[in-house]
Amino acid sequence: GNSVTQMEGPVTLSEEAFLTINCTYTATGYPSLFWYVQYPGEGLQLLLKATKADDKGSNKGFEATYRKETTSFHLEKGSVQVSDSAVYFCALTRTGGFKTIFGAGTRLFVKA
Amino acid sequence: GAGVSQSPRYKVAKRGQDVALRCDPISGHVSLFWYQQALGQGPEFLTYFQNEAQLDKSGLPSDRFFAERPEGSVSTLKIQRTQQEDSAVYLCASSIIGRGASGANVLTFGAGSRLTVL
Repeated sequence: GNSVTQMEGPVTLSEEAFLTINCTYTATGYPSLFWYVQYPGEGLQLLLKATKADDKGSNKGFEATYRKETTSFHLEKGSVQVSDSAVYFCALTRTGGFKTIFGAGTRLFVKA
Repeated sequence: GAGVSQSPRYKVAKRGQDVALRCDPISGHVSLFWYQQALGQGPEFLTYFQNEAQLDKSGLPSDRFFAERPEGSVSTLKIQRTQQEDSAVYLCASSIIGRGASGANVLTFGAGSRLTVL
């Protein structure tokens, strides 16, 4: 079946450190891939997306590249801020499908 | 409205009670989804509406769970005879596109309703 696996947290970084959160997926065809973020006390919100192989999604300094050959969509940011502290969810919508499948989430703590 | 609104934000129920959770999606959004999020886990799909039609209810865990969207806008998720394992955050999300439309299905989530069953 379709699934998303992301690295376990929590991830703790100092401000201005480089961030990578790994995400791999299992799906037939060419799913759409997403990263959602949940800030404390708020609902999930879309961070970025990519809809086909080799696409790069980007937003707020975060980037992720759709890698079909490694079935991955790793999230990266060159210099994290305290305000990036949140839970990050990798997700997919399979080709021809409509419901979104989420990973378990990775909590990020950024220290000043 | 400006966003997806859910109520109540917090609900404590005694085991065996019925509960109703409300979702008010973004005006004009065609699709509405309910998800269940256990502590420390990602959201798990429950059900999906396109306008007033419930097109997928494959994620509802038992026949104690029932959802409706009678006029294609506000939706209610009802849980009958609540059990302790129903304790979770229930998330509602809406999307401007319907199934079969082109483009990625981007979800806008509400803040969730946290249900605690004692």
